[in-house]
Amino acid sequence: GQQLNQSPQSMFIQEGEDVSMNCTSSSIFNTWLWYKQEPGEGPVLLIALYKAGELTSNGRLTAQFGITRKDSFLNISASIPSDVGIYFCAGQQVNRDDKIIFGKGTRLHILP
Amino acid sequence: GAVVSQHPSRVICKSGTSVKIECRSLDFQATTMFWYRQFPKQSLMLMATSNEGSKATYEQGVEKDKFLINHASLTLSTLTVTSAHPEDSSFYICSAMRTASGNTIYFGEGSWLTVV
Repeated sequence: GQQLNQSPQSMFIQEGEDVSMNCTSSSIFNTWLWYKQEPGEGPVLLIALYKAGELTSNGRLTAQFGITRKDSFLNISASIPSDVGIYFCAGQQVNRDDKIIFGKGTRLHILP
Repeated sequence: GAVVSQHPSRVICKSGTSVKIECRSLDFQATTMFWYRQFPKQSLMLMATSNEGSKATYEQGVEKDKFLINHASLTLSTLTVTSAHPEDSSFYICSAMRTASGNTIYFGEGSWLTVV
């Protein structure tokens, strides 16, 4: 199936550091979404972006919808141990039954 | 907030048998639901779009006769894995679209299927 290009695949950081991950696509999306998934659970929505150029924050998380509508980034500031998990970007396509297509995920590890 | 529930959360079945997974939107109506499959350490792959009262739309490469989808009511979609094989073992996740809140999509907790 179709996927987005998400990078990096994994990150190893120290507690307190900032984190940045991004997603790109060859297709235009009308909505960009960022999810976090814990092992054995369904994804949980972190941030939803609906307009090109939109910058939205949710606590220590900040995400932006790229101007071209083909990319988005997620930043996490001052990481803490509970930030560990897999982060997925997802795009909701225009005129395609509103289905959501997922990136391959970024696995975040926090070193003690 | 909106809740989507899946049942069972875990199921083990014998090879060759069929197993049904339910996806329910608990506090809203969903004309559209989606079924995803996720293998360990991989992303969610869309299998099909389930439309209430009509046939599901399957993604390329997904066998519609093997993965039967029924969306008979506005709050329930079911995925039946027929003649299951060990390679069908996976994490299956559904999501439901809440049109009343701008087509926001909510995910279920997922169902672990193990075929032995």
